[in-house]
Amino acid sequence: KAGVTQTPRYLIKTRGQQVTLSCSPISGHRSVSWYQQTPGQGLQFLFEYFSETQRNKGNFPGRFSGRQFSNSRSEMNVSTLELGDSALYLCASSFLPSGGPLNEQFFGPGTRLTVL
Amino acid sequence: EDKVVQSPLSLVVHEGDTVTLNCSYEVTNFRSLLWYKQEKKAPTFLFMLTSSGIEKKSGRLSSILDKKELSSILNITATQTGDSAIYLCAANAGGTSYGKLTFGQGTILTVHP
Repeated sequence: KAGVTQTPRYLIKTRGQQVTLSCSPISGHRSVSWYQQTPGQGLQFLFEYFSETQRNKGNFPGRFSGRQFSNSRSEMNVSTLELGDSALYLCASSFLPSGGPLNEQFFGPGTRLTVL
Repeated sequence: EDKVVQSPLSLVVHEGDTVTLNCSYEVTNFRSLLWYKQEKKAPTFLFMLTSSGIEKKSGRLSSILDKKELSSILNITATQTGDSAIYLCAANAGGTSYGKLTFGQGTILTVHP
């Protein structure tokens, strides 16, 4: 079974631009969570989607948004990029047949975003 | 606010040593604690511990959850250079904390030959 895939793997943008990152979960996984990883703050939760609905959101500004499609693939968007948005963005999928409590999360390889 | 703290932040050992990594948590409506290993890529799942499963073992790795002390340990016996990585501990709360893991800072383990 293929793992979680993320595209692109690397991105370089300039301040003020916007970016869209994509995540394809493991087949059969319906929950997708997004995290930002930086050296200073570690791994921080952005949001979680299940059945195309955002069920939970972390403490990030509204510039960070996401969505999930009917095939469980998810995208996250960051608008008006700032230097501080440079980070590794990880998505994780989980098998939740009934949308219940968190199960093991399996991470993708991440998208390394650099904002110049 | 939910909080997870790991110690030590870094550890250097030689092959064959046994190491113990610590994780303490303060999480409202705690539900589960997870351990991950991160090398130069995505975190790899190791264990999930819950009230119904407070001890897990896989090969040279084992983990215990102490619900009374709100902590967990990860033990690695007979360490190998391939164990060098960042070990992350994360806690999940119940209720409406869907899909959210609160991570600790990680422990950087370096195993020398």
